Amino acid sequence: DTGVSQNPRHKITKRGQNVTFRCDPISEHNRLYWYRQTLGQGPEFLTYFQNEAQLEKSRLLSDRFSAERPKGSFSTLEIQRTEQGDSAMYLCASSLGQTELYEQYFGPGTRLTVT
Amino acid sequence: DAKTTQPPSMDCAEGRAANLPCNHSTISGNEYVYWYRQIHSQGPQYIIHGLKNNETNEMASLIITEDRKSSTLILPHATLRDTAVYYCIVRVVDDYKLSFGAGTTVTVRA
Repeated sequence: DTGVSQNPRHKITKRGQNVTFRCDPISEHNRLYWYRQTLGQGPEFLTYFQNEAQLEKSRLLSDRFSAERPKGSFSTLEIQRTEQGDSAMYLCASSLGQTELYEQYFGPGTRLTVT
Repeated sequence: DAKTTQPPSMDCAEGRAANLPCNHSTISGNEYVYWYRQIHSQGPQYIIHGLKNNETNEMASLIITEDRKSSTLILPHATLRDTAVYYCIVRVVDDYKLSFGAGTTVTVRA
């Protein structure tokens, strides 16, 4: 257990429905990241927050995706009008940005299946 | 575009050292080599990182060649719990995102 929690762990939804995932980072970490991982591939960067500010979004993050981090604490990732191609593991990570190490601590992920 | 090249898979005997190679021939002077691993159904886990000197911690050793074009992660006494996908990543230390490749699937056999 890294201290980063994600909920739910699994989500099955029908195509066209909206889904929301939550990530609770390690409490003192000011940086929070979202990644997506499809079967057999390494994780791909989606977006990044420093405190409450969303500083970058990957081109993988289409208009159907939105992420928030109110008050610089937990974060949510919402996918609107889900498509079968959205099926993947969604990983959240956090880090303490002031250290040289910049080690990222990952949560266990939320596995999304779109039917 | 991939900055690292790793073999897709390798086997290792339990109790023996596992040596995982990584090529990063285009690495820049300000880029570090990081290793993460991902055990099945878990998120990636940091292992070790280095710039040009060899590094060792409680999990592994990292050997970086003098020209920094390649490196080797060494798990000194592999156990069954070390079975995982191992990712070699090069990044500038204050680059916020990690760029994962496909990694090396390491299977430790009893």
